[in-house]
Amino acid sequence: QVQLVESGGGLVKPGGSLRLSCAASGFTISDYYMSWIRQAPGKGLEWVSYISSSSSYTNYADSVKGRFTISRDNAKNSLYLQMNSLRAEDTAVYYCTRGRGAARPYYFDCWGQGTLVTVSS
Amino acid sequence: QSALTQPRSVSGSPGQSVTISCTGTSSDVGGYNYVSWYQQHPGKAPKLMIFDVSKRPSGVPDRFSGSKSGNTASLTISGLQAEDEADYYCCSYAGTYTVFGGGTKLTVL
Repeated sequence: QVQLVESGGGLVKPGGSLRLSCAASGFTISDYYMSWIRQAPGKGLEWVSYISSSSSYTNYADSVKGRFTISRDNAKNSLYLQMNSLRAEDTAVYYCTRGRGAARPYYFDCWGQGTLVTVSS
Repeated sequence: QSALTQPRSVSGSPGQSVTISCTGTSSDVGGYNYVSWYQQHPGKAPKLMIFDVSKRPSGVPDRFSGSKSGNTASLTISGLQAEDEADYYCCSYAGTYTVFGGGTKLTVL
């Protein structure tokens, strides 16, 4: 069945870096936009970034622009998020999602279980 | 990239109907027919319930329905059941990004 499995979360100090991975199964990610969405503890959902099927187009939330980089390896059916210059406010569960829409990801129909990133000294 | 506005909480008794509102602007909710709704139970990943304002993915009960008027979208749950108790988030396309609402906690009394 369609499944997304994130990995790479953990505890990191402010200013540090972390790389999240997402392995997809049951479908081919090269056919879809893919996105990262995060949820701070006890808070709501926040869209972080998306990448087009061919990696030609990416976009980021203002809160992470210039610090995070989204990428994908269609041959490995995997999505990544490189997070640099991490701040306490980046602490959250990060979800890998499949985006649906003709020109951009208008909605997200498949979600991973999430991976927790904690930024603390 | 301001969040959409949802009520913090709503409640209803089993069998009743409840409606959750989601207010944005003409740059997001009002500008596109790309509103989606997600259900999240504690400790679980969100689940898509409604997309494109009023369409239901396969497997979502027809008790869940969506609509939009101007800058406000709504999710209506009819025939409330105990398992509907969860957090609900609206989401809208906004041109080059997507924006979520702050979430609404639904309590089934």
